[in-house]
Amino acid sequence: LAKTTQPISMDSYEGQEVNITCSHNNIATNDYITWYQQFPSQGPRFIIQGYKTKVTNEVASLFIPADRKSSTLSLPRVSLSDTAVYYCLVGESNNDMRFGAGTRLTVKP
Amino acid sequence: EPEVTQTPSHQVTQMGQEVILRCVPISNHLYFYWYRQILGQKVEFLVSFYNNEISEKSEIFDDQFSVERPDGSNFTLKIRSTKLEDSAMYFCAIPGPLGTEAFFGQGTRLTVV
Repeated sequence: LAKTTQPISMDSYEGQEVNITCSHNNIATNDYITWYQQFPSQGPRFIIQGYKTKVTNEVASLFIPADRKSSTLSLPRVSLSDTAVYYCLVGESNNDMRFGAGTRLTVKP
Repeated sequence: EPEVTQTPSHQVTQMGQEVILRCVPISNHLYFYWYRQILGQKVEFLVSFYNNEISEKSEIFDDQFSVERPDGSNFTLKIRSTKLEDSAMYFCAIPGPLGTEAFFGQGTRLTVV
């Protein structure tokens, strides 16, 4: 399983765009990149998944460079309710997903 | 988004007792996962369960733990002889439509006293 590295914490203000970068130098050919969000005392919530280039949904965008050794989760115009822990996972299936410590995002008014 | 319901939401048990945590998907699934999260720590994989058999398990999932699909719909995680360090949030999850992501239940908070 590819190891991921992401910042422990980030601060932002309401209305700003937040970009969280994850490094995964050992990503394998069949691996997908998946991001989850977790609020306190709740289960992780799937945000977005991609393999290469750019993926966008109603919640976020995911940017993946050609070498796929990193990825950036972009949250447009964050609000206070986006305060959460964000996890980057790399793997070829949802079997045996390994979560890291994640990035604790704090959005301030 | 697939829904998963877990019961109970909170359980308090005495050390040494057995607990059964339940998980019910809104639709039929053959694949099921259990994770746990000790307060302030990472989400940890316990076990994946496919078609009534354990598919993968972590080093945490020892003989104290077992999983079942007792009636074809709900899934259970049994912890025998609970220890204080078993206190955690326990999450079940099911595969999403992409097949490479998962959807988690709201969790059961287990407190062992």
